[in-house]
This record gives sequence, structure tokens and C-alpha cells, in this order.
Amino acid sequence: QKEVEQNSGPLSVPEGAIASLNCTYSDRGSQSFFWYRQYSGKSPELIMSIYSNGDKEDGRFTAQLNKASQYVSLLIRDSQPSDSATYLCAVQSGGSYIPTFGRGTSLIVHP
Amino acid sequence: DAGVTQSPTHLIKTRGQHVTLRCSPISGHKSVSWYQQVLGQGPQFIFQYYEKEERGRGNFPDRFSARQFPNYSSELNVNALLLGDSALYLCASSLAGWEQYFGPGTRLTVT
Repeated sequence: QKEVEQNSGPLSVPEGAIASLNCTYSDRGSQSFFWYRQYSGKSPELIMSIYSNGDKEDGRFTAQLNKASQYVSLLIRDSQPSDSATYLCAVQSGGSYIPTFGRGTSLIVHP
Repeated sequence: DAGVTQSPTHLIKTRGQHVTLRCSPISGHKSVSWYQQVLGQGPQFIFQYYEKEERGRGNFPDRFSARQFPNYSSELNVNALLLGDSALYLCASSLAGWEQYFGPGTRLTVT
């Protein structure tokens, strides 16, 4: 059973701070990693994908992947109240087109 | 460009009834996936279709079925509805099955 674990939170950070969201996975054969943002009552929206060890930056978002330790994280710099949402981590194994989602971490950015 | 569209937006059904949910992918996307999401959980994979062929099936009973049409749109059918089928049903399209782009979802309530 492939598992993707996320702390459900909520993670509360002040406006302007760095929010750090973490995700661990059980399948060592995992090759593709995704972060989605889901506002309450809405559908998930793709934020970032990462396939290689290291960091990948896109604007205020940085995804970090460490395959040896089987974790992937998402950093949000200069957090804004509009970043308040649930962040879903999704993992795909090599050769599979089917992602496994974590339950998501609720982020609250307070002014 | 238009995103993924789903219909209907909301649906109320009675136990034992049948339901059909519809999805149109982003233009050019040949893969469609279906997910079930209940409150507080991440999306659970139901089916994935690519080029009209089933490419994956999640751990759902045979009451759930789907198909993809020549124009790449898709239907999800659920027979003999149970109360536990109440959920947000999400359709996602992708070019080949990697990054998923979600539609707005169909909120199904079974009474």
C-alpha cells in the first residue's frame, strides 16, 4: 500500500513569514511529485511539480525533494492571507500514471 | 483556453439510484482521471483513461464504471448508490497522465 503522509494541521503563520509544508511517502520507487492548493469548497489547483532531488523555485514557492529520505516539502515565502488553503501532496511511482494524494495540510496565514 | 468542465455541479440522489457524471478535458489533453474526495481527505483515485483505453482503476467496487469518448470527454457512472458515495467527484485531465488539471467537481449527495 503506497502511502503519502502529511500533517493535517492547521499550520498557522503570520503574514510575511515562510510557511513550510512537509510530505513523506512510502514507495521508494516514486519518481514524480506534485503540490496542489485547494481552497475551501473548490477543486485542487496544481502549484508545482518536481522530479529530481534538490530545490525547484517558482515565484514565492519552492519545492524541495529528497528521495533518499523520502520526503518532499513546499516552502511559501512572504506568506499572504490569500495563501490560506489546504495543500495537497501527490506522488507517482515510476512507470505509473496514477498519483497517490496525501490528506493535505491546512495553512492559515493571519494578518 | 477553457479549463476542465464538469456537469452537473450539484446532484442529489436517493439510495439505490444510478448517477452519470460528465467531464470535458482541456483541449489537447488525452488523459482523463476521476477522483472521489470526502471532507478532510485527499482525492482518492477511481479511474484513468488515456486515448479511450482504461489505464488504471482504483480500489472502488464494480458499481463504479467509466468510459472515454472519441473527443476525449468522459463519463463516470455509479450504480446502486449508497449513502457513503456522497462526496465531491473530481475529474482531471492531463497531456499524458502526469500533471493533473482538475475541473470544478460535482458534489453528489445521496439521501
